[in-house]
Amino acid sequence: AAGVIQSPRHLIKEKRETATLKCYPIPRHDTVYWYQQGPGQDPQFLISFYEKMQSDKGSIPDRFSAQQFSDYHSELNMSSLELGDSALYFCASSPHETVYNEQFFGPGTRLTVL
Amino acid sequence: AQTVTQSQPEMSVQEAETVTLSCTYDTSESNYYLFWYKQPPSRQMILVIRQEAYKQQNATENRFSVNFQKAAKSFSLKISDSQLGDTAMYFCAFMMPPNDMRFGAGTRLTVKP
Repeated sequence: AAGVIQSPRHLIKEKRETATLKCYPIPRHDTVYWYQQGPGQDPQFLISFYEKMQSDKGSIPDRFSAQQFSDYHSELNMSSLELGDSALYFCASSPHETVYNEQFFGPGTRLTVL
Repeated sequence: AQTVTQSQPEMSVQEAETVTLSCTYDTSESNYYLFWYKQPPSRQMILVIRQEAYKQQNATENRFSVNFQKAAKSFSLKISDSQLGDTAMYFCAFMMPPNDMRFGAGTRLTVKP
């Protein structure tokens, strides 16, 4: 079965650089969620989109922005990167009408800021 | 705001034995969902089991079962016949539809041969 795809899987950036993370949800899933998991931390919700509109916002820094496109894939744009942005970034997707609202997680993008 | 508490940072169990991971949560809502996710060393987030708050019956998935106590706001995970492959971080998660999911701090489970 198709799963959530995230690219790249690994990314190394310098401080103050910009990074773009991509997420391709499971086919027919119209809702996308972004999470940030720091070393030894639990995943923290950043932002979510439903039908290309932002549906909820968590602890996403102002330096970050995200959007969902017409094909439902999503991109997380991160500017002025800081050392503390080094983390595993998960994307998850779900079909909006699902009773269980289960979120299916991608493999994550490991971002390292040097 | 919803909060999720996992009071056991680390646990260990012998292979083939049973272990229970604790989770409590705080909410004033009546309609919500609870999940246990497993995160092995690969860091992939894998759904283990889910429970709808309106269902009184405890969810079961093979060797995994939950003890859902709604009044006590408790949602523990029992792993029977533990296997080496069960070694992982386990996150309890709460979601009130259609919002974001809140995770507990996690419990690191080690299954010993």
